[in-house]
Amino acid sequence: QVQLVESGGGLVKPGGSLRLSCAASGFTFSDYYMSWIRQAPGKGLEWVSYISSSGSTIYYADSVKGRFTISRDNAKNSLYLQMNSLRAEDTAVYYCARAQDYGDPRNVVFDYWGQGTLVTVSS
Amino acid sequence: EIVMTQSPATLSVSPGERATLSCRASQSVSSNLAWYQQKPGQAPRLLIYGASTRATGIPARFSGSGSGTEFTLTISSLQSEDFAVYYCQQYNNWPPLTFGQGTRLEIK
Repeated sequence: QVQLVESGGGLVKPGGSLRLSCAASGFTFSDYYMSWIRQAPGKGLEWVSYISSSGSTIYYADSVKGRFTISRDNAKNSLYLQMNSLRAEDTAVYYCARAQDYGDPRNVVFDYWGQGTLVTVSS
Repeated sequence: EIVMTQSPATLSVSPGERATLSCRASQSVSSNLAWYQQKPGQAPRLLIYGASTRATGIPARFSGSGSGTEFTLTISSLQSEDFAVYYCQQYNNWPPLTFGQGTRLEIK
């Protein structure tokens, strides 16, 4: 069965860095686009970043552009999010999610999600 | 950026009754809309994509409709496990991918 397991969250001071990982299993990781999506405490869902199956196409939300870097290692079935210059407003549960395109590469529908990892930015 | 607006923010419905949730896009998203369900402490779960196609394993009591800028998620006969927060998401014009702010479905 499809499994996505995030790790790497924790407490970090403003201006600090953190690297999140997402270990994928139960499917051919290299065939799928992936994304990071976050949810601030008590708030809604916010898309953060997207990476194509090969890693050649990457997008970011404006709120994290220039500070966060998404990457993947298809040999290790893993997705990453390097987060630098962290701010209090980056505090959230970060989910990795598999993107399903249902036959159209422009479609991005999240059919499997990990359980999330909490990032807290506070002094 | 396409802004997704969900209404109402909170919906109170009795078990066994029908629930109707709305999602409006700030510009047309064609039928490129998905619905997710999220229960407390859990990750979101995909319910509907393409505005009206149920995802694998989703019960038939969940249905989606609409196109363009107006969309509806209907739960025909509410079960206890359906009380949750529901989000819509557009994938027609991105980046960015955008979600609505959510509708909390609570027991009346």
